[in-house]
Amino acid sequence: QVQLQESGPGLVKPSQTLSLTCTVSGGSINSGDHYWSWIRQPPGKGLEWIGYIYYSGSTHYNPSLKSRLTISVDTSKNQLSMKLSSVTAADTAVYYCARESEPHYFDYWGQGTLVTVSS
Amino acid sequence: QSVLTQPPSVSGAPGQRVTISCTGSSSNIGAGYDVHWYQQLPGTAPKLLINANSDRPSGVPDRFSGSKSGTSASLAITGLQAEDEADYYCQSYDSSLSGSKVFGGGTKLTVL
Repeated sequence: QVQLQESGPGLVKPSQTLSLTCTVSGGSINSGDHYWSWIRQPPGKGLEWIGYIYYSGSTHYNPSLKSRLTISVDTSKNQLSMKLSSVTAADTAVYYCARESEPHYFDYWGQGTLVTVSS
Repeated sequence: QSVLTQPPSVSGAPGQRVTISCTGSSSNIGAGYDVHWYQQLPGTAPKLLINANSDRPSGVPDRFSGSKSGTSASLAITGLQAEDEADYYCQSYDSSLSGSKVFGGGTKLTVL
C-alpha cells in the first residue's frame, strides 16, 4: 500500500520561502510508472494543483505559481520536495502530496500539512 | 473562480439518489479529457472515488457512479447514507492552461 507523508514548517513569514518534503513508502518514485504532485487547499476553499515531478526530474508547474515554484526529487530517499518563494497570506493552505496515475488522476494522497503564512 | 463549475451544495434524505454536476469547456472536458471525482470527509485528505469518468477503484461502493457527456460530467450517489456527507470534487486536465490539472470548486453534500 502506497503511503505519502508531508513534512515541513507549519508557520512561514511573509516574503520568505515555504519548503515542504513528501516521503513516499510502499512504492518507488524510481519505478517511472507515475508522476508525483503537490496540491493545496486554502482553509474552507477548494483544491488547487501546484505541479508535478517525474522520477527523472522533469517538472510541470501550474502557470499561476511557476515564477515562484521549484519541485525537486531525491530518488535515493524516495522523497519529493517543493519550495515556494515570496509567500503571502494567500499561500496559507493545507498542502498535499499525491501520486498521479494515467489519465491524470490522483490515486494516493498524503494526509496534508497546514502551512500558515503570518508574521 | 474554478475552471470546472460545481453546485456549492446538494442535499438528500437517507436512501435517496442525488447527483452532482461538473461543467467544463472545450479545453478540458469537452476536449475529451477524462473526469475524476474525489470525496473529502471533514478534516481528511481527498479520496479517489471515480476515475476516468466512470471507473470505481477497488473498495468504492457501487452506490457511486460517474458519467460524462459533452462538456459536463455527473456523479450520482444512490441509497444515500449518513456517512456520505462530505465535500465532492471533480477534476480534469486542461489543455489551455499549459497542461494543468484543474478542479471544480467542490460540492457539499448534506444528508438530511
